[in-house]
Amino acid sequence: DSGVTQTPKHLITATGQRVTLRCSPRSGDLSVYWYQQSLDQGLQFLIQYYNGEERAKGNILERFSAQQFPDLHSELNLSSLELGDSALYFCASSAEDRSTDTQYFGPGTRLTVL
Amino acid sequence: AQKITQTQPGMFVQEKEAVTLDCTYDTSDPSYGLFWYKQPSSGEMIFLIYQGSYDQQNATEGRYSLNFQKARKSANLVISASQLGDSAMYFCAMREGQVNAGKSTFGDGTTLTVKP
Repeated sequence: DSGVTQTPKHLITATGQRVTLRCSPRSGDLSVYWYQQSLDQGLQFLIQYYNGEERAKGNILERFSAQQFPDLHSELNLSSLELGDSALYFCASSAEDRSTDTQYFGPGTRLTVL
Repeated sequence: AQKITQTQPGMFVQEKEAVTLDCTYDTSDPSYGLFWYKQPSSGEMIFLIYQGSYDQQNATEGRYSLNFQKARKSANLVISASQLGDSAMYFCAMREGQVNAGKSTFGDGTTLTVKP
């Protein structure tokens, strides 16, 4: 158990809908990262938040948005869903450490868009 | 160009033997970090080992060691004394830039099967 929690574990929805994925980082970790893992694109970095502020941005679509709240939990919002958005979405967190930023992953949310 | 290349889509190893999983990377940033993760069939991502670009010694964590050859831009994972539970997908990843400030890129992964 990495200490990172994600809800829900599974989500099934229809095209055009909007969903929210939730992540709670490990106790004390200030950074939260979101990733998408799909069969055709592999594991893709989406976005990183550090203590409420966006710190790094990857291949995140405009239909997707994220935020980190004062209690450090984070939410990833996916809107106007398409079939191709079906994937495993991971959240990870890391500590503020000068020597390493090892990311500890949550169990993931499996999103199925029908 | 691919930032992280894992050339072995699948590997087999006999139980109790050592195995090396290859990873090469491409960056012009002098500061970067290299990671290996394990993803069993259950789907979770498990951190194995980390090597910073300025680290002088190769990282080791139990049965895992990272063979870091900076000039060749390679960061191979060595698993000693393979166990059946090591059967999984293994990902090499790189963070470019300062610690905690850069995005990470993952390779396509290597599926390792340990034979009894």
